[in-house]
Amino acid sequence: DAGVTQSPTHLIKTRGQQVTLRCSPKSGHDTVSWYQQALGQGPQFIFQYYEEEERQRGNFPDRFSGHQFPNYSSELNVNALLLGDSALYLCASSLGVIAGELFFGEGSRLTVL
Amino acid sequence: GEDVEQSLFLSVREGDSSVINCTYTDSSSTYLYWYKQEPGAGLQLLTYIFSNMDMKQDQRLTVLLNKKDKHLSLRIADTQTGDSAIYFCASSGYSTLTFGKGTMLLVS
Repeated sequence: DAGVTQSPTHLIKTRGQQVTLRCSPKSGHDTVSWYQQALGQGPQFIFQYYEEEERQRGNFPDRFSGHQFPNYSSELNVNALLLGDSALYLCASSLGVIAGELFFGEGSRLTVL
Repeated sequence: GEDVEQSLFLSVREGDSSVINCTYTDSSSTYLYWYKQEPGAGLQLLTYIFSNMDMKQDQRLTVLLNKKDKHLSLRIADTQTGDSAIYFCASSGYSTLTFGKGTMLLVS
């Protein structure tokens, strides 16, 4: 049974560029949440997708956007990259929107130069 | 907003018990979690406890919850070198998690 899978694992971008990160949830899960983990910090909630709609959003600017597809997979897009966007981006999946068992992927490490 | 605090570092000897502590501020938290993160890796769900429980045991792991004091602890029995990692405590609102900064456990 595949867990949460994310791609790419590592990527390097320059300031001002745009990036798209991808996530496939654990089999049987229908809800995807995205978290940003800066170096030395705990993860911070970005947003959550369920039934192809953004259901909850954390304190992140509109440069961060997302999408969920009919197969429950999800994308995180970040526009106009800043140096401060360098972080590990973690995808988590669950069954339903109410917090319960939440499984994380290995993350996509983004470096902005 | 919600806040979760943990001590930053814990060092133990192999074979001893480890106790990692956490405090949280959101009294309406539904679930409380412990995650493990090894270097360069994602978060591994170790265990979680529903807020109406006082204790949960899972093999070498024991979670204690004091809801009155908003205090959560994770005890690892017979700590092994493979337990060296960063441990995150998290509290949940309706659907989102608030994490602490993590406790680095070093087993020597």
